[in-house]
Amino acid sequence: NAGVTQTPKFQVLKTGQSMTLQCAQDMNHNSMYWYRQDPGMGLRLIYYSASEGTTDKGEVPNGYNVSRLNKREFSLRLESAAPSQTSVYFCASRLAGSTYEQYFGPGTRLTVT
Amino acid sequence: AQTVTQSQPEMSVQEAETVTLSCTYDTSESNYYLFWYKQPPSRQMILVIRQEAYKQQNATENRFSVNFQKAAKSFSLKISDSQLGDTAMYFCAFMWRGGSEKLVFGKGMKLTVNP
Repeated sequence: NAGVTQTPKFQVLKTGQSMTLQCAQDMNHNSMYWYRQDPGMGLRLIYYSASEGTTDKGEVPNGYNVSRLNKREFSLRLESAAPSQTSVYFCASRLAGSTYEQYFGPGTRLTVT
Repeated sequence: AQTVTQSQPEMSVQEAETVTLSCTYDTSESNYYLFWYKQPPSRQMILVIRQEAYKQQNATENRFSVNFQKAAKSFSLKISDSQLGDTAMYFCAFMWRGGSEKLVFGKGMKLTVNP
């Protein structure tokens, strides 16, 4: 049982390049989330998916798109990376109707030059 | 909109001592959860403790306990018998039960436990 996995762990992009961050969970959770963590800012929600087939914007969605590919997988795409998107990205999942705990992946450190 | 405030950006404590981390939040809702997450240097987010707003009894988990003051909208974390492994960033977080189940985080506080 791997929990929540994220790939890649590290990535360096040039401004304007695109990439997709992958997230998968094997806990049969309904809800999945993408956060970004910046120094002094805590974690801020980018997008979330309450269930398979649905996605909604969070606090900071601009510049990102998401896909809930199936119940297990939730990807985050940067179409045209900008230096302001340099951050650590976390994926999380949660079982609906449970004790509301979110389980986090190990994070992806992204640098945009 | 809900907000979470952690006013102390950094604290240090000696090993085996007790330390309290403060957190306040602002909401008009009555049905919610509060959490403390720990983030060690490994970067992994780890749930430390959870409190349901409808429960008056303060949550405890081994050396970790909370002081939940609903009227004051205060949710502090007490760490007893501090250990070197407690060195980490600590984040307070809020989740409204009736909403979209999103976590709102405070900005975090860096705790250093010194030998």
